[in-house]
Amino acid sequence: NAGVTQTPKFRILKIGQSMTLQCTQDMNHNYMYWYRQDPGMGLKLIYYSVGAGITDKGEVPNGYNVSRSTTEDFPLRLELAAPSQTSVYFCASGSNQPQHFGDGTRLSIL
Amino acid sequence: AQRVTQPEKLLSVFKGAPVELKCNYSYSGSPELFWYVQYSRQRLQLLLRHISRESIKGFTADLNKGETSFHLKKPFAQEEDSAMYYCALSFSSASKIIFGSGTRLSIRP
Repeated sequence: NAGVTQTPKFRILKIGQSMTLQCTQDMNHNYMYWYRQDPGMGLKLIYYSVGAGITDKGEVPNGYNVSRSTTEDFPLRLELAAPSQTSVYFCASGSNQPQHFGDGTRLSIL
Repeated sequence: AQRVTQPEKLLSVFKGAPVELKCNYSYSGSPELFWYVQYSRQRLQLLLRHISRESIKGFTADLNKGETSFHLKKPFAQEEDSAMYYCALSFSSASKIIFGSGTRLSIRP
């Protein structure tokens, strides 16, 4: 039972580069979420999805995009990486609130 | 604006002592509140929800709308309770959930 799987675990990007953080879950959850966590801070909601084909903005969506073409996958895309996006990113899924989290992706923008 | 405040970054208590992790929120509507926990080297996980009125691992939390608080309590702390605890608030819909900055609970033997 894999739960929520995030890849990669670590990544260093240069300013202006783009990348996609992958998230997949095998629990058939409709709700999926992306959070970022800066040092000493709580998790901030970037985007969320209540089902395939449906996404919505959270607290801090600027600079990010998401898609939800299947129930299982909820990738997060950074188009033009900026130093302010250096953070740890968590993906989560649940039946109607975040119940299961991934291990996180530690992203550094230099 | 909606906000969750956990005033203590670190709480250290002795084993067997009572524990209270504080959480205050600001939201004008009807809130739904949660506690999440992250043990060392483990993933963040849901501990309990206020609507369930449940006790998980000896922890309980009561929503006090007058004081806008949702403090997490346990009468007798155990060493395995050492972890990072996050309070979270759901508003506007069940899917939009914001987190506090977390409290690290350390149980001393």
